[in-house]
Amino acid sequence: AQTVTQSQPEMSVQEAETVTLSCTYDTSESDYYLFWYKQPPSRQMILVIRQEAYKQQNATENRFSVNFQKAAKSFSLKISDSQLGDAAMYFCAGEGAQKLVFGQGTRLTINP
Amino acid sequence: DTEVTQTPKHLVMGMTNKKSLKCEQHMGHRAMYWYKQKAKKPPELMFVYSYEKLSINESVPSRFSPECPNSSLLNLHLHALQPEDSALYLCASSPHPSSGSSYEQYFGPGTRLTVT
Repeated sequence: AQTVTQSQPEMSVQEAETVTLSCTYDTSESDYYLFWYKQPPSRQMILVIRQEAYKQQNATENRFSVNFQKAAKSFSLKISDSQLGDAAMYFCAGEGAQKLVFGQGTRLTINP
Repeated sequence: DTEVTQTPKHLVMGMTNKKSLKCEQHMGHRAMYWYKQKAKKPPELMFVYSYEKLSINESVPSRFSPECPNSSLLNLHLHALQPEDSALYLCASSPHPSSGSSYEQYFGPGTRLTVT
């Protein structure tokens, strides 16, 4: 990806509810990978989910799933049954030339 | 072992000091990365090592000097830093430096650097 855009600097959700974080990207490639990373207040960045562009099926990892719209260059993350431990900065990222291109991040707050 | 370790966790240094940050991984990954991260911002790439050779330098000032002594170890040598260099420094690794899911990077916990 040449650019990755996250238009929601902050989001909040009630515990046990569902929240969707938005991400759009721009790329000239036809095959590529997209990622969502989570960075909790402890600061260790961890991979949440990965999507391969040539796969039609949206990736799912337990309560985390993506809505990948290739034509629209959109890659949103849905978190179901939100838990207090989901509170973190979430970064959308796409592959560039030997590196990841990150969005600006969305800070997610979980309200008990 | 899917862990990237970084030492020290915290570092305070004066502008005339010389210090080093260390990063280690034992996953057999052949690409390693240094990032700088300011609060509430995404990581900014500084350097990429591919097969122990420097492949990307994102126009980083020479007061930052990376070193990759072997495939498991990455150092960042610091000298004559400025207060604006205070940040979280993240190390990451990935299986290969190019193509496909190799872009999945594993991050260390970071070193919190304060320059006084």
